[in-house]
Amino acid sequence: GQQVMQIPQYQHVQEGEDFTTYCNSSTTLSNIQWYKQRPGGHPVFLIQLVKSGEVKKQKRLTFQFGEAKKNSSLHITATQTTDVGTYFCAGHPPKGPFNNDMRFGAGTRLTVKP
Amino acid sequence: DVKVTQSSRYLVKRTGEKVFLECVQDMDHENMFWYRQDPGLGLRLIYFSYDVKMKEKGDIPEGYSVSREKKERFSLILESASTNQTSMYLCASSLSRFLSNQPQHFGDGTRLSIL
Repeated sequence: GQQVMQIPQYQHVQEGEDFTTYCNSSTTLSNIQWYKQRPGGHPVFLIQLVKSGEVKKQKRLTFQFGEAKKNSSLHITATQTTDVGTYFCAGHPPKGPFNNDMRFGAGTRLTVKP
Repeated sequence: DVKVTQSSRYLVKRTGEKVFLECVQDMDHENMFWYRQDPGLGLRLIYFSYDVKMKEKGDIPEGYSVSREKKERFSLILESASTNQTSMYLCASSLSRFLSNQPQHFGDGTRLSIL
């Protein structure tokens, strides 16, 4: 079945440094979603990418979807302590009309030293 | 705003017990999901449901069953709890199975310990 791999598993940065997490799928995806889970919280939807090569920005966060629609990345510029949490990617395979086949990556846990 | 409510934040049960985890959503969503979250493994799908009385196995259904008698409620059942089912369980919902680009909305999770 579809697998979504995410690296790194952990990342510890100094406040102000940049951070990137990468997501790779074994199969082509119809779209990819990104979620953030704060410590002690639940995953919260951040954004969705649908088009090949798409780039979206949310303030200091930049999301990219690869040309082949098999990989994606989330880049945070100048991290802040409020960025702490686990970032998950989740991808939909391009089969059928149904929304039931999304699979999550293992997540990247970001810690930020003030 | 979508609200997904899980009945317990923390639960402690004994090996062999039958355990029920309840989830309710208030936005008339068709899809509901149960995941377990373990360190280093991310969110793994146990079961999902796209309609009342409908269910589909996810990636790790063994040892679990589900029930969806009403659209707003999705229950996860551990038939005979075992220690390897100690985990964080997350319920989620999304709008419709016919829309492929819908985000999932999560509950706060139930941290289940099996002794």
